[in-house]
Amino acid sequence: IVLTQSPATLSLSPGERATLSCRASQSVGGSLAWYQQKPGQAPRLLIYEASNRATGIPARFSGSGSGTDFTLTISSLEPEDFAVYYCQQRRGWPSALTFGGGTKVEIK
Amino acid sequence: EVQLVESGGGLVQPGTSLRLSCVASGFTFDDFAMHWVRQAPGKGLEWVSGLNWNSGGIGYAASVKGRFTISRDNTKNSLFLQMNSLRPEDTALYYCAKAARYYAGVVGDSWGQGTLVTVSS
Repeated sequence: IVLTQSPATLSLSPGERATLSCRASQSVGGSLAWYQQKPGQAPRLLIYEASNRATGIPARFSGSGSGTDFTLTISSLEPEDFAVYYCQQRRGWPSALTFGGGTKVEIK
Repeated sequence: EVQLVESGGGLVQPGTSLRLSCVASGFTFDDFAMHWVRQAPGKGLEWVSGLNWNSGGIGYAASVKGRFTISRDNTKNSLFLQMNSLRPEDTALYYCAKAARYYAGVVGDSWGQGTLVTVSS
């Protein structure tokens, strides 16, 4: 299963709303997660099963979608939210899992 | 506090082998699936391999299948990745990751800091 993220780069200002897309080449049901990665750091789990926030994740992060089309929304960008975001599918585990190519959210 | 500490990376020549280790603490290791994820310099994340708590379910990326072997020792809270026939394209930072509870295929609700593998002649 191939995951395609768009856009590759999103240029926004603090306080603005960010909408990131992840499209799967075939249905993954609701088995999609989102991660955030900052430079020089390991990734951090944000969302699992399409819409469930991981422990400690602020409410401004939300996930939606099912089947092949998924969205990560950051309702109002904080300075610490500028990072790269990846989606990941787990359909059919333990067969191959995959990550999307990432979306970089940068300061405009 | 969950801690995952990887080791075993280094500079090796193409065609050789390397064994990565990850020692876990701060959680009940044998309750969770575990994974290896890599990131080539300046590139995105690539899932490499994972296994269930009892090694009953194991998966590999197509790019490493037949060359890499994942294993775990629950008595030592340790995860391993045996990498054979290494290629230059295996050069990456290799992360050890703890799967989410109840969702073995959600790769990482906790991650190590990674160990760097460089394959070059």
